[in-house]
Amino acid sequence: AQTVTQSQPEMSVQEAETVTLSCTYDTSESDYYLFWYKQPPSRQMILVIRQEAYKQQNATENRFSVNFQKAAKSFSLKISDSQLGDAAMYFCAYRSGTSGTYKYIFGTGTRLKVLA
Amino acid sequence: EAGVAQSPRYKIIEKRQSVAFWCNPISGHATLYWYQQILGQGPKLLIQFQNNGVVDDSQLPKDRFSAERLKGVDSTLKIQPAKLEDSAVYLCASSRGIPIYGYTFGSGTRLTVV
Repeated sequence: AQTVTQSQPEMSVQEAETVTLSCTYDTSESDYYLFWYKQPPSRQMILVIRQEAYKQQNATENRFSVNFQKAAKSFSLKISDSQLGDAAMYFCAYRSGTSGTYKYIFGTGTRLKVLA
Repeated sequence: EAGVAQSPRYKIIEKRQSVAFWCNPISGHATLYWYQQILGQGPKLLIQFQNNGVVDDSQLPKDRFSAERLKGVDSTLKIQPAKLEDSAVYLCASSRGIPIYGYTFGSGTRLTVV
């Protein structure tokens, strides 16, 4: 069974600085997708960035980028120029590319605090 | 486009009572998901519908939880009878088909069982 581990329950970053959130996963599959979701106090999960396992190039979305290390099964999220609005829970998620179900396996989350 | 709508936003019930949650997905989205998010944990899939058929309900506690999706649009998740450990946020999500770009979540219902 696949597992996702986020070992940092909480992180803090100064406004305008850079922070990296860690995520490791375990799977025997070769076809899968990885995601980072943001969950603010409104509770709605918002997609931040996604990565296909077959792509070697790391995904980037504006101030957000990932470091995808497939052999190490690591998928970290880097937030550059942190803003107050980035404060939220961040969840790493895995989705199989071969299973008929589209379910996510989520980590336990990292709470990001942004200090003014 | 309008987002995924869920109601109620909050619900407090006593144990052994029943409760129902409603979800209206984004128009045209064939796949609908219900997730349970217990405090301090990541969301866990309870059930996935494709149109009005069930694709995955392997983690749904079927002795007390039930879900339906009539006419392949709205969905209802019911708990009867509720237990203290059912206290959680129940998130509904939808996707057009294969969610290559992820799926869209609603704001969830926070259930407290006392």
